[in-house]
Amino acid sequence: ELKVEQNPLFLSMQEGKNYTIYCNYSTTSDRLYWYRQDPGKSLESLFVLLSNGAVKQEGRLMASLDTKARLSTLHITAAVHDLSATYFCAVVLSGANNLFFGTGTRLTVIP
Amino acid sequence: EAEVAQSPRYKITEKSQAVAFWCDPISGHATLYWYRQILGQGPELLVQFQDESVVDDSQLPKDRFSAERLKGVDSTLKIQPAELGDSAMYLCASSPGRGLREAGELFFGEGSRLTVL
Repeated sequence: ELKVEQNPLFLSMQEGKNYTIYCNYSTTSDRLYWYRQDPGKSLESLFVLLSNGAVKQEGRLMASLDTKARLSTLHITAAVHDLSATYFCAVVLSGANNLFFGTGTRLTVIP
Repeated sequence: EAEVAQSPRYKITEKSQAVAFWCDPISGHATLYWYRQILGQGPELLVQFQDESVVDDSQLPKDRFSAERLKGVDSTLKIQPAELGDSAMYLCASSPGRGLREAGELFFGEGSRLTVL
């Protein structure tokens, strides 16, 4: 059974600080997605990681993928309040055609 | 910018009633997905369509849930009878071609939030 686990589930951090969210998955996957979700809203695509060692950056967020370790990270640099949201990773199983989502990490950035 | 349209945005119903959600994907998108997101959890796939055909409905509770996409364009997800545990956000997503693997990403609608009393 596929498991996609995120750590931590809840994260409260001060503005200006750095932190990393971890996404572990239990079976072979050849691509991984990161999404952002604001309360009561839909999902906003942040990153698509397609290969081992892939790294993508957008503003204060940087995502990476290690397919051998079955691990992806989302690194937050110098957090600002606008980054407060829930972040989901989602994997696509090899041969499959849909997303399996992680548990989510609720991030709160405190001024 | 083209969007996935869903309605209603909010629905409150009593247990044992019937409820239906509608999704209109981005024009030309052949693949359509329905996901359910229970509060505090990640979305879970309910059903995937390729044109008018069901590709995957293995996680759809078929005793009470049904989904159709008769002309391969818009889709309806129905619950009858609704139960307390069905309270969730129902998200529709679409992608061109043969879905996520070919298109590279899914485009999500704003969702329909269901509350069952």
